[in-house]
Amino acid sequence: EAQVTQNPRYLITVTGKKLTVTCSQNMNHEYMSWYRQDPGLGLRQIYYSMNVEVTDKGDVPEGYKVSRKEKRNFPLILESPSPNQTSLYFCASSPRGMTYEQYFGPGTRLTVT
Amino acid sequence: GIQVEQSPPDLILQEGANSTLRCNFSDSVNNLQWFHQNPWGQLINLFYIPSGTKQNGRLSATTVATERYSLLYISSSQTTDSGVYFCAVSVGANSKLTFGKGITLSVRP
Repeated sequence: EAQVTQNPRYLITVTGKKLTVTCSQNMNHEYMSWYRQDPGLGLRQIYYSMNVEVTDKGDVPEGYKVSRKEKRNFPLILESPSPNQTSLYFCASSPRGMTYEQYFGPGTRLTVT
Repeated sequence: GIQVEQSPPDLILQEGANSTLRCNFSDSVNNLQWFHQNPWGQLINLFYIPSGTKQNGRLSATTVATERYSLLYISSSQTTDSGVYFCAVSVGANSKLTFGKGITLSVRP
């Protein structure tokens, strides 16, 4: 089944403890991206990647890192999480950039205390 | 940047009723998608429809790109249709999806 998977789905952590949210797609898509969703602010893009080893900042990249060493994986790294990073995170992929349909993962609900 | 406005913001329906959700956008787009966010937070792809008309069961969508709007039609609504419906657009190959604020739909049994 073609899909985008994220792990973990739910995470409660403490301020400053490094964490990684994994994202993987099995559709051989070139483009991948991360969004966060917050009440009143909607969905905003954090980072995106046009292909392996090519990443770029979205609208709200502060406090996050990403890497794209393999086509299928695009992990989101929070080196020192803070409470303002409590959010619902979505990974998305598409065959090649924004002119194609974007496929979203199931979401990761992160709480930083 | 591009503006995306969805209307109405909230909608309450009786099961079996039909509804039309609207999305207006302020610039030419190369991608327009409709999503349903269910009560568990998952974003479900409904339609990829930068132009034209598509149908999938009880749902259909129409985008009139030249007039910068899209409509999502829900017929014979069911309680499982409840949730938030988002329209999202992009204006460039390397840009992002810009989401509207969503329409909260409640279908009563």
